[in-house]
Amino acid sequence: DAGVIQSPRHEVTEMGQEVTLRCKLISGHNSLFWYRQTMMRGLELLIYFNNNVPIDDSGMPEDRFSAKMPNASFSTLKIQPSEPRDSAVYFCASSLNRVDSGNTIYFGEGSWLTVV
Amino acid sequence: KQEVTQIPAALSVPEGENLVLNCSFTDSAIYNLQWFRQDPGKGLTSLLLIQSSQREQTSGRLNASLDKSSGRSTLYIAASQPGDSATYLCAVNAYNTDKLIFGTGTRLQVFP
Repeated sequence: DAGVIQSPRHEVTEMGQEVTLRCKLISGHNSLFWYRQTMMRGLELLIYFNNNVPIDDSGMPEDRFSAKMPNASFSTLKIQPSEPRDSAVYFCASSLNRVDSGNTIYFGEGSWLTVV
Repeated sequence: KQEVTQIPAALSVPEGENLVLNCSFTDSAIYNLQWFRQDPGKGLTSLLLIQSSQREQTSGRLNASLDKSSGRSTLYIAASQPGDSATYLCAVNAYNTDKLIFGTGTRLQVFP
């Protein structure tokens, strides 16, 4: 398997523009996680899904952020409108089942977002 | 609120040294603890997972220990190599949730 695939790898956009980040899970995995990494705050969980259902979105910063799983293998994270403080690396990760059952979580290589 | 701290923040050592990286967490009600490696510009790779009922896990030159009662874990790297240079993060997983709380990491450089 090619692993968790994220696109775009790098994006530079102007403040106010809509940003859509995409993620393809590892085949057969049913848990999907979106994390954000910054120098100041480290790695933070934004939202996670289990079997396409959002379980915990308490980490989503505000209404400008939304995430969807239109099918079992694909997810999007959308920021509208984007702001400079959204600049970060956004990671998608997936696991075969619940992480608290001891299942390994696999990360994509990240989408590096810069909002100017 | 669970907080995870890693010490030191950065470490630079010559090749061949044995290393200990430290991770501490404030709430001992965890289900498991994981150690990850992150190379520059890359995602995270899981190295070791320790369930709360376990005391340690080993993989090759890596050994991770867990002391839940004191809220501590250590990652021991034996005979370090330049290829071990990366950032190492620990993360804890509370009961009945898939949410991982990450530490801020230890940036390791092993020079020849």
